[in-house]
Amino acid sequence: QVQLVQSGAEVKKPGSSVKISCKASGGSFSSYAISWVRQVSGQGLEWMGGIMPIFGTTNYTQKFQGRVTIVADASTSTAYMELRSLRSEDTAVYYCARDALGYINTYNYFNSWGQGTLVTVSS
Amino acid sequence: EIVLTQSPGTLSLSPGERATLSCKASQSVSSNYLAWYQQKPGQAPRLLIYGASNRATGIPDRFRGSGSGTDFTLTVSRLQPEDFAVYYCQQYGTSLLTFGGGTKVEIK
Repeated sequence: QVQLVQSGAEVKKPGSSVKISCKASGGSFSSYAISWVRQVSGQGLEWMGGIMPIFGTTNYTQKFQGRVTIVADASTSTAYMELRSLRSEDTAVYYCARDALGYINTYNYFNSWGQGTLVTVSS
Repeated sequence: EIVLTQSPGTLSLSPGERATLSCKASQSVSSNYLAWYQQKPGQAPRLLIYGASNRATGIPDRFRGSGSGTDFTLTVSRLQPEDFAVYYCQQYGTSLLTFGGGTKVEIK
């Protein structure tokens, strides 16, 4: 099974940006969509969007459209999520998650997750 | 957007008891594309069930998913100490994936 390893915790000022990496090992990187899911402390899970490397397409939820960019580097099997114009409400743990179904043009359910990256936004 | 409402918010049970968790969708979930995850403190979620009723690899058969349309249920037949956690449902029947708010199963 694929392993996803994320970059470490970040502390950011309001208005700045953060870029988190998610490196995959094992399995085919490009054939499976990678999504980003965030979780505010003590709260539920929220899908932010994802990337399908094999199709070269990205999808973002309306809530994050314009503030988030997800890219994938197949040469290093690494996906990245950049969130801009950070505010205190963006303080959360951010997870990358790999779709369980490959080679299809939809986002589905996730059978591999990164360990999570805590992003703290504070002045 | 399909809104998933999970109930109850918290379930207080003893080891060996049965847990029944509900996930109701604001509209029908296409092809019963509904998954369940378990999350323990400080850990990432773990896939339990997909397609409403299919157990993921390595998941014990005490976990059972059922339901269709707008009403889905996760049943844990005999709670083991390691089953006390938060459980989330997630639908993937639309291009906008959504999660439920979670049900915490705690030790009574």
